Amino acid sequence: QQPVQSPQAVILREGEDAVINCSSSKALYSVHWYRQKHGEAPVFLMILLKGGEQKGHEKISASFNEKKQQSSLYLTASQLSYSGTYFCGTEGLGGTSYGKLTFGQGTILTVHP
Amino acid sequence: EAGVTQFPSHSVIEKGQTVTLRCDPISGHDNLYWYRRVMGKEIKFLLHFVKESKQDESGMPNNRFLAERTGGTYSTLKVQPAELEDSGVYFCASSRSGMNTEAFFGQGTRLTVV
Repeated sequence: QQPVQSPQAVILREGEDAVINCSSSKALYSVHWYRQKHGEAPVFLMILLKGGEQKGHEKISASFNEKKQQSSLYLTASQLSYSGTYFCGTEGLGGTSYGKLTFGQGTILTVHP
Repeated sequence: EAGVTQFPSHSVIEKGQTVTLRCDPISGHDNLYWYRRVMGKEIKFLLHFVKESKQDESGMPNNRFLAERTGGTYSTLKVQPAELEDSGVYFCASSRSGMNTEAFFGQGTRLTVV
């Protein structure tokens, strides 16, 4: 099943913080976070693994709660360049295809000066 | 290092025609994935190649879609005959062998069937 992201959209001023959540109804092995700007390729931000947490950027971090099958992406002191659509992609336990991601519907983040 | 490249960037075809999308992964990446995003909806998995072999094609919508990966290098996705509901953005992604590796996405091919 598709993970659910919340909120669907966020509007911020430069310097403000934001949290984007990703919830799954099934047991997860990993969560991948991507950011996509309009017309461009989705860009990898970070991966969080079952049993651990991995930080990809200085002001962008994430957590993974295995028990709740939830991940949160934290953006601190937002910059104009943070604007875009954020996707979480989940990888379930088991299965024959590793790296196969099931994506949420995306969260549109807009940062204003 | 060149990124994942997709051709064409846009394609507009009539219903019933054939279209072939191409993906050139990052050199040395054994894993190649195809995804599709229909307008307003989530990015959905189509299939996964490991080198030239199809590892998982559970996301392919129907037999009008045919994917190949010649010699484990570039991949093509052919839609024949195209239907209106095939419109969307088709993404290709590649990653190194092994688990827990990041996938690099191409910019996508926007397909419009009219």
